[in-house]
Amino acid sequence: DTAVSQTPKYLVTQMGNDKSIKCEQNLGHDTMYWYKQDSKKFLKIMFSYNNKELIINETVPNRFSPKSPDKAHLNLHINSLELGDSAVYFCASSQDLGLAGGHGVSDTQYFGPGTRLTVL
Amino acid sequence: AQTVTQSQPEMSVQEAETVTLSCTYDTSENNYYLFWYKQPPSRQMILVIRQEAYKQQNATENRFSVNFQKAAKSFSLKISDSQLGDTAMYFCAFMSYGNKLVFGAGTILRVKS
Repeated sequence: DTAVSQTPKYLVTQMGNDKSIKCEQNLGHDTMYWYKQDSKKFLKIMFSYNNKELIINETVPNRFSPKSPDKAHLNLHINSLELGDSAVYFCASSQDLGLAGGHGVSDTQYFGPGTRLTVL
Repeated sequence: AQTVTQSQPEMSVQEAETVTLSCTYDTSENNYYLFWYKQPPSRQMILVIRQEAYKQQNATENRFSVNFQKAAKSFSLKISDSQLGDTAMYFCAFMSYGNKLVFGAGTILRVKS
């Protein structure tokens, strides 16, 4: 049974198109994330959602819009794709551990298999 | 802002030998978590080991152990009895409140037979 799954695994598309990547986790976790891994393998967070609420929104172009229909799903929609959007996109999830010092704390993040997006 | 530095872009080790991967980080926070993730050619991100900053004892998972030096902000990974399946890119990562994982640039480890 796959804990964090993503579809599709590979996505090849033309510049200017709109595409979506879907993510589902069956771990019962409260928080889900999107990370981007560029051509140099550098990983950077894009977004996180906790119980369908946006928590983290890094400096990402507004062409990228995450959508969480329920806490087990976090989809990533990308409008007007550009060459520079080519990357591997990872979904991840984690379980909340409650509050510490007034801040929310999550357990270890578990990653999906990644989606390799190629924009031509 | 937190930063994570992995100063070794590539390393090699003979099968059955021991190798240590280095990681340093910068933070002004006192409570945080540190991780090592492994990314084999399949590109799956796999958790190797986790360390809570408030724990003085170094984490161990079978052949994998860490040397956590909080004052020096150092978090190295030791792999004992290296196996061919350990060949992968290894990422050190930092997480504090806000749950954002900040990754280092990664170290490619090649295990040779």
